[in-house]
Amino acid sequence: DTAVSQTPKYLVTQMGNDKSIKCEQNLGHDTMYWYKQDSKKFLKIMFSYNNKELIINETVPNRFSPKSPDKAHLNLHINSLELGDSAVYFCASSQDAGRARETQYFGPGTRLLVL
Amino acid sequence: SQQGEEDPQALSIQEGENATMNCSYKTSINNLQWYRQNSGRGLVHLILIRSNEREKHSGRLRVTLDTSKKSSSLLITASRAADTASYFCATVDRGSTLGRLYFGRGTQLTVWP
Repeated sequence: DTAVSQTPKYLVTQMGNDKSIKCEQNLGHDTMYWYKQDSKKFLKIMFSYNNKELIINETVPNRFSPKSPDKAHLNLHINSLELGDSAVYFCASSQDAGRARETQYFGPGTRLLVL
Repeated sequence: SQQGEEDPQALSIQEGENATMNCSYKTSINNLQWYRQNSGRGLVHLILIRSNEREKHSGRLRVTLDTSKKSSSLLITASRAADTASYFCATVDRGSTLGRLYFGRGTQLTVWP
């Protein structure tokens, strides 16, 4: 069974469109994250939710809006897509963000290409 | 920036050889973690070493941590073609309660059969 799953795996879209990426974890974890990996493989955190509450909100354009309907799901909605949004977006989860020793479990990634 | 830096950026070796990758960071940490990313896949956690630990082993992996130099190394012994992947170090700041990981840019390891 897949621990952290993301849909879609690939997303090709035009500039200006609005799109969503979904993430689900079946590990029973309390904390979920969104990361962006650029073309040089630089991986940077965007958001984190703990029990449906936003706890990390890095300097990200407000075109990006995360939503956590429950602690097993964390979706990412992107408005007015730009060329620079092209990247691989990874979802991750951990048992409890407050326990700093926790490792994170990553999804397979969503490859977004904005044309 | 709090991001770590891996060295070298790319490493190419023959099967059976050992591979050593280094990571430097800038802050006081709670722990340092190593992850592997196979091409086109997500990251997989390999090993976590706490700030009060100096060395840790897991199978063919050996990780060292020198907090005075703010550096860590990952040694893969008797490498295999299946070890070909990108390897990232990531740190958690001392006192962090948010679980924020700061990743380096990774070392691309290629193991030739």
